[in-house]
Amino acid sequence: GAGVSQSPSNKVTEKGKDVELRCDPISGHTALYWYRQSLGQGLEFLIYFQGNSAPDKSGLPSDRFSAERTGGSVSTLTIQRTQQEDSAVYLCASSLVGAGGSDEQFFGPGTRLTVL
Amino acid sequence: AQSVTQPDIHITVSEGASLELRCNYSYGATPYLFWYVQSPGQGLQLLLKYFSGDTLVQGIKGFEAEFKRSQSSFNLRKPSVHWSDAAEYFCADYGQNFVFGPGTRLSVLP
Repeated sequence: GAGVSQSPSNKVTEKGKDVELRCDPISGHTALYWYRQSLGQGLEFLIYFQGNSAPDKSGLPSDRFSAERTGGSVSTLTIQRTQQEDSAVYLCASSLVGAGGSDEQFFGPGTRLTVL
Repeated sequence: AQSVTQPDIHITVSEGASLELRCNYSYGATPYLFWYVQSPGQGLQLLLKYFSGDTLVQGIKGFEAEFKRSQSSFNLRKPSVHWSDAAEYFCADYGQNFVFGPGTRLSVLP
């Protein structure tokens, strides 16, 4: 497709379960970003992948959160032992080169995670 | 720490009226400033961006923003609001980290 896609669009899980959220970036984009948007809040940066470089994990809120990007394309965000405060919309974005912050990010529609 | 503030949580304007949404950034070096719009059920769409050069930048949908270093501001403006502009607006600064403001919700009265 032409844009960033994310799956699932909605995910309901029970507290303590693990979840995986998937992001397919725009073809050819080397940079990929994950954000979290809680109800009524702005976007909170989680993690940033740039090419083959080590990812910038500075935004991950705890060690229950991890992400990987396979083959420089698809990315999976994993949340282990989910808590109710993890409920949010998780947004993925990609950009062409990700250099120096000046690169426009294109956002996917998000995955709405609800932890019961 | 780097931050972006949007002082107005919610703004209501009448259709056809002018609009200004405020944004202040804290990063002291060169900021990379963006405005995004998020309509209900939609993803974020870039309205405009500023890196350098002319401090008045034009964006899509008739929006413009002015960078004022002396005030650490990057306010978004539109001379005449349309009902379809009702949405959430986010200011962001990628100068050091990827930091978004909390958003301003715009309501438009008919």
